[in-house]
Amino acid sequence: EADIYQTPRYLVIGTGKKITLECSQTMGHDKMYWYQQDPGMELHLIHYSYGVNSTEKGDLSSESTVSRIRTEHFPLTLESARPSHTSQYLCASSTTGSYNEQFFGPGTRLTVL
Amino acid sequence: DQQVKQNSPSLSVQEGRISILNCDYTNSMFDYFLWYKKYPAEGPTFLISISSIKDKNEDGRFTVFLNKSAKHLSLHIVPSQPGDSAVYFCAAKQGGGADGLTFGKGTHLIIQP
Repeated sequence: EADIYQTPRYLVIGTGKKITLECSQTMGHDKMYWYQQDPGMELHLIHYSYGVNSTEKGDLSSESTVSRIRTEHFPLTLESARPSHTSQYLCASSTTGSYNEQFFGPGTRLTVL
Repeated sequence: DQQVKQNSPSLSVQEGRISILNCDYTNSMFDYFLWYKKYPAEGPTFLISISSIKDKNEDGRFTVFLNKSAKHLSLHIVPSQPGDSAVYFCAAKQGGGADGLTFGKGTHLIIQP
C-alpha cells in the first residue's frame, strides 16, 4: 500500500491568488512527479525530481514551480492562479531504477474562478 | 501528438466475462508499459506492467499482452467483477530517458451485473 498524501483535495480560488499544493510521501522514495489531468484526458507530466535539490520540467509546459528541500516533500506553487490552471493535479513517487511503478496520491482538484 | 492511444473511451462487459482493454503506441523507444486503474476522486492505482523483452505477464485475474511489431498491448481481466468498474489507463516509459510516464486517455470499463 502506497503512502503518498496530497492536500488540499479540493480548492476553489479566485484569479490572481498564490497557491501551494502539498505532496508528501512516507516511503523514502527518491523520485517524485507532478502530473496534470483535465477531465477525460491523459495525465501529462509537468515536473519531476530525482532527489533533494533536484527539479526538472516535464513534457507539458506549466507556469507552476516546484521545490524539493526534503526527500518526503514536493510542493507545487502557482504564483498567480488563472482560470486556465483549473485542472486536477496528481503527485506520484517511485523508487530509484528505470523500471519501477509510480505510486500516486489522491490528487488535488483545483478550480480557479 | 499522442504517443499512447486508447481508442475506446468506454467498454461495457457482463460480470463473469472477459474484459479486454486495448492500447496502441507510436514511439518505438518505449520499453516498459504499465496499466493503472482509477476510481473517481482517487489517484491512479498500479495494476500490472510488462517490459519489452516479454510478450506476456500475468498476475491473478489480470494479464497483459505485448505485441511489439504491432506496437500494441492489451489488458485482459477474467473473470470480470463489479469492483473492476473504473477508468483504466495505459502508460509507457523509455528506459534511460526522462522518468515520467506517457499516458493514454483511458478507457472507462463498466461491468454489468
